[in-house]
Amino acid sequence: QVHLQESGPGLVKPSETLSLTCTVSGGSVTSNVWSWIRQSPGKGLEWIAYVYYSGSIRDNPSLKSRLTISVDTSRNQFSLNLRSVTAADTAVYYCARARTRFGGDKYYFDYWGQGILVTVSP
Amino acid sequence: DIQMTQSPSSLSASVGDRVTITCRTSQTISNFLNWYQQKPGKAPKLLIYAGSTLQTGVPSRFSGGGSGTDFTLSISSLQPEDFATYYCQQSYSDIPTFGQGTKLEIK
Repeated sequence: QVHLQESGPGLVKPSETLSLTCTVSGGSVTSNVWSWIRQSPGKGLEWIAYVYYSGSIRDNPSLKSRLTISVDTSRNQFSLNLRSVTAADTAVYYCARARTRFGGDKYYFDYWGQGILVTVSP
Repeated sequence: DIQMTQSPSSLSASVGDRVTITCRTSQTISNFLNWYQQKPGKAPKLLIYAGSTLQTGVPSRFSGGGSGTDFTLSISSLQPEDFATYYCQQSYSDIPTFGQGTKLEIK
């Protein structure tokens, strides 16, 4: 059973960097594809990025290249850094495992963390 | 981005009822459509992937159908634990997108 847990500050000031970590247990970060997804009342569920074990990512262009993601294989974690945040980045942030049925890059999300609320406010 | 439109936005039903939720996409996506259930304060839970494949452990009263641009999620006999919000998600394009949700409430 794969378990994911998000951690990080719940409050970030505007223009600063939002930093979150997802710790994976019951599975290896090196043998799966992972994802960050956020949910806000205004935008609903919004995909942020796929994270590959190599450390490469595919991200949502709507984030305008503000995103950095890293993978720490020794700790079985992956992290998200979102720069220059505004109130529009206030959301519950989830990490999730991405899977495909027949390979390729058509992913669904089968395991999710519990989510962490991040508020952007002075 | 592919736009997802769910209907209805909310639905009232009773235990034992059969309900159907619809998801329409702005362009054809074959069967790359997934369904999730979310309860208040919890993460979404995968119910169905690839249009009609039931995720392991999900009760067989849930079923998915459709292809192209029109998809359905049906619950054959509502149980008390099924009252929740349901989301569709397309995995066809490089940018996965979600529907706005259908809130299923007890009548």
